Amino acid sequence: AQSVTQPDIHITVSEGASLELRCNYSYGATPYLFWYVQSPGQGLQLLLKYFSGDTLVQGIKGFEAEFKRSQSSFNLRKPSVHWSDAAEYFCAVGGGSQGNLIFGKGTKLSVKP
Amino acid sequence: NAGVMQNPRHLVRRRGQEARLRCSPMKGHSHVYWYRQLPEEGLKFMVYLQKENIIDESGMPKERFSAEFPKEGPSILRIQQVVRGDSAAYFCASSPMDRGDGNTIYFGEGSWLTVV
Repeated sequence: AQSVTQPDIHITVSEGASLELRCNYSYGATPYLFWYVQSPGQGLQLLLKYFSGDTLVQGIKGFEAEFKRSQSSFNLRKPSVHWSDAAEYFCAVGGGSQGNLIFGKGTKLSVKP
Repeated sequence: NAGVMQNPRHLVRRRGQEARLRCSPMKGHSHVYWYRQLPEEGLKFMVYLQKENIIDESGMPKERFSAEFPKEGPSILRIQQVVRGDSAAYFCASSPMDRGDGNTIYFGEGSWLTVV
């Protein structure tokens, strides 16, 4: 079955510390992978996406993610977190011919001063 | 270039009433998707439409929910005889026809439905 797992429901990091949010997926075909961020009461903003090629992808706001096929993972990283990064982060997987994405349940990030 | 536009942003309905949520895709996009986000949950796919066609409605509840994307005008998600369990955020997304950037879809700001 196709699924996305984000093992961490809530993470708290100190401002300036590094961040890694985990995402594991199960998908029968070649996956297209995405990370979205959602602030409270807002829509989803695309941070980055992976289709093919270089397995390390760069996104907006200083985020990057690495696709590891052997581990079925697509973890999101940021070297130095800012207070404005506090939000909920969603990993999603889809296929090129599929219209819909499958989302994880999200990881809520809190940033302490 | 305007993004995906949804309205209303917030909607309150009494049990048994109808809710209509509207979505205008990004300019040049002909594919529309509706997702529902329940509290403490991720987004769940509901339906995928192109102009005048429902492509995939595998995520739609069998009763009371319907969606359309007419030749002219916005896409509409309609919920008849709403119940408390329909309270959620409903997100519309769109993507271009040519899928030049893979399956990237762009989300609107969402419509928050509260059933009282």
